[in-house]
Amino acid sequence: DAGVIQSPRHEVTEMGQEVTLRCKPISGHDYLFWYRQTMMRGLELLIYFNNNVPIDDSGMPEDRFSAKMPNASFSTLKIQPSEPRDSAVYFCASSPGQVTNYGYTFGSGTRLTVV
Amino acid sequence: RKEVEQDPGPFNVPEGATVAFNCTYSNSASQSFFWYRQDCRKEPKLLMSVYSSGNEDGRFTAQLNRASQYISLLIRDSKLSDSATYLCVVIPGAGSYQLTFGKGTKLSVIP
Repeated sequence: DAGVIQSPRHEVTEMGQEVTLRCKPISGHDYLFWYRQTMMRGLELLIYFNNNVPIDDSGMPEDRFSAKMPNASFSTLKIQPSEPRDSAVYFCASSPGQVTNYGYTFGSGTRLTVV
Repeated sequence: RKEVEQDPGPFNVPEGATVAFNCTYSNSASQSFFWYRQDCRKEPKLLMSVYSSGNEDGRFTAQLNRASQYISLLIRDSKLSDSATYLCVVIPGAGSYQLTFGKGTKLSVIP
């Protein structure tokens, strides 16, 4: 099992540019989550999907952020236009369903720096 | 009040020491509880679930006090490899799949 795969691992971009983060969940996992981690705010849930359908996007900070899951094996998080305050580590996680005992499996994250 | 609160530390302890971390949560309807571990510049990884009756996994013991809305993690005989940030995690309510994370407690085990 390859685990949750995220790309790129690091991204440095200029303010105003579009940024696309990618995630491949573990095969068979019905839930996919996007989190953002900063020193100030810790880990924050941005959005999550169940069977490719967005369930709760209340954590998405602004209209500049959008997420899609076109199929069970791929999701993207897009920021357009990017701003310096978007600099953070973005994690994707997946779970097989009822997470009463197993929690989530996280990808290695994308470290985004907007200059 | 934040949903999940932890002492940020850092806790600096010598090898072999016993150390305890505490966590409080605000939603009394919370159903599931976990401790995650996060190494520097790595992703969070599940350390253990926390059960109402308390549970132990080797040197690690987790306890839950629903009345006080309090979770604890005890590490005995600390190893250098235990140095990490420990995240208290709560699922807010039945049917919710949103793990809510505390900001973490940093542990440094010193030789």
